[in-house]
Amino acid sequence: SQTIHQWPATLVQPVGSPLSLECTVEGTSNPNLYWYRQAAGRGLQLLFYSVGIGQISSEVPQNLSASRPQDRQFILSSKKLLLSDSGFYLCAWSAPSLGGNYGYTFGSGTRLTVV
Amino acid sequence: GNSVTQMEGPVTLSEEAFLTINCTYTATGYPSLFWYVQYPGEGLQLLLKATKADDKGSNKGFEATYRKETTSFHLEKGSVQVSDSAVYFCAQIKNYGGSQGNLIFGKGTKLSVKP
Repeated sequence: SQTIHQWPATLVQPVGSPLSLECTVEGTSNPNLYWYRQAAGRGLQLLFYSVGIGQISSEVPQNLSASRPQDRQFILSSKKLLLSDSGFYLCAWSAPSLGGNYGYTFGSGTRLTVV
Repeated sequence: GNSVTQMEGPVTLSEEAFLTINCTYTATGYPSLFWYVQYPGEGLQLLLKATKADDKGSNKGFEATYRKETTSFHLEKGSVQVSDSAVYFCAQIKNYGGSQGNLIFGKGTKLSVKP
């Protein structure tokens, strides 16, 4: 069966420090991968998605970047964190071969607090 | 563009009360529709889905019917429990022939059930 792992679960980082959040998927190949952010009191915002290794699409301009160095690995990074980067970050995957009928499967999330 | 609108919360109910959370969508064509649930401190879980008009998705006592004529996908449960307290997200995904669009979420509705 397919599983998605996301870590760390919580993170407290000072302003100006770098960030690296990692997400891996098991049990499937060539998944579509996604990073979402959920800011306090707000909905889910799609940040990045990837349909293959090295292929990254950005939905909103921001202080963050994403990379996909391996088929089932998706990394969210920042060189210098801002206070506004605080939020709950969710990784997700979907199977492109199934079209959109099965939605996405989400990881358990990372709670990032920038202080 | 495609969007999802759901009723604003928070919604507070007593145990065993009837629940309705309204959701409407705008889209060209016929997207697949989903309800996700987020329990406190956790990631999102797929609650139910419907992929074509008049489909009824159901799970854990929750139901939603894909209404093309009203572009709606309202979530209902006949008798809520304290354990149903969570944030509920309505979402759509558009299928473009052999490929899929991205999952688009509503802003979420927080449900609190009191004993």
